[in-house]
Amino acid sequence: KNEVEQSPQNLTAQEGEFITINCSYSVGISALHWLQQHPGGGIVSLFMLSSGKKKHGRLIATINIQEKHSSLHITASHPRDSAVYICAVGRGPSNYGGSQGNLIFGKGTKLSVKP
Amino acid sequence: EAQVTQNPRYLITVTGKKLTVTCSQNMNHEYMSWYRQDPGLGLRQIYYSMNVEVTDKGDVPEGYKVSRKEKRNFPLILESPSPNQTSLYFCASSFVGYPLNEQFFGPGTRLTVL
Repeated sequence: KNEVEQSPQNLTAQEGEFITINCSYSVGISALHWLQQHPGGGIVSLFMLSSGKKKHGRLIATINIQEKHSSLHITASHPRDSAVYICAVGRGPSNYGGSQGNLIFGKGTKLSVKP
Repeated sequence: EAQVTQNPRYLITVTGKKLTVTCSQNMNHEYMSWYRQDPGLGLRQIYYSMNVEVTDKGDVPEGYKVSRKEKRNFPLILESPSPNQTSLYFCASSFVGYPLNEQFFGPGTRLTVL
């Protein structure tokens, strides 16, 4: 069993729909990352969080440490949101500021938003 | 412009011929890391560095070497490349410590070992 599991693997949505991508992990972590990989291959960091919730524009990320689960939500989805979304967890100790160290990744969720 | 650069972007080589992929960042980041991405396996960490002269193994370090002699550079060395090292490689960097700091990724290096 992978230490970081994402669901769904593939997701097709219509423009305007509310989207949720899930990430569950089985290890103790210092922080969780959400990344976006564009169709051209470039990777952008969307969020890093260790508790609670963060919002940036139409994107919202939440994490429940007790349940070892995080969700990435996209409101009012748009075709330009089409990408692979990757969850990663940091296993670095707390003296790394909880942010980095050894990272392990989920296999990604491929999102396609149709106009 | 703040960025992480990797060179070369594409490389085709033969088994056993030593090669180096360079990674450089201009943001004064302490943390740098190398990842490889393979179909069906996703991203996996090779090595990371928390600061100059400090490096640690990730999940797939076999067959790779790194060094961190300067803060801005973190080269990835393949002493004797083999076909199973054919992959897409990414370098990334970030600050360390709170508040949590996002990673900046390089554009990737596509390596083919024949």
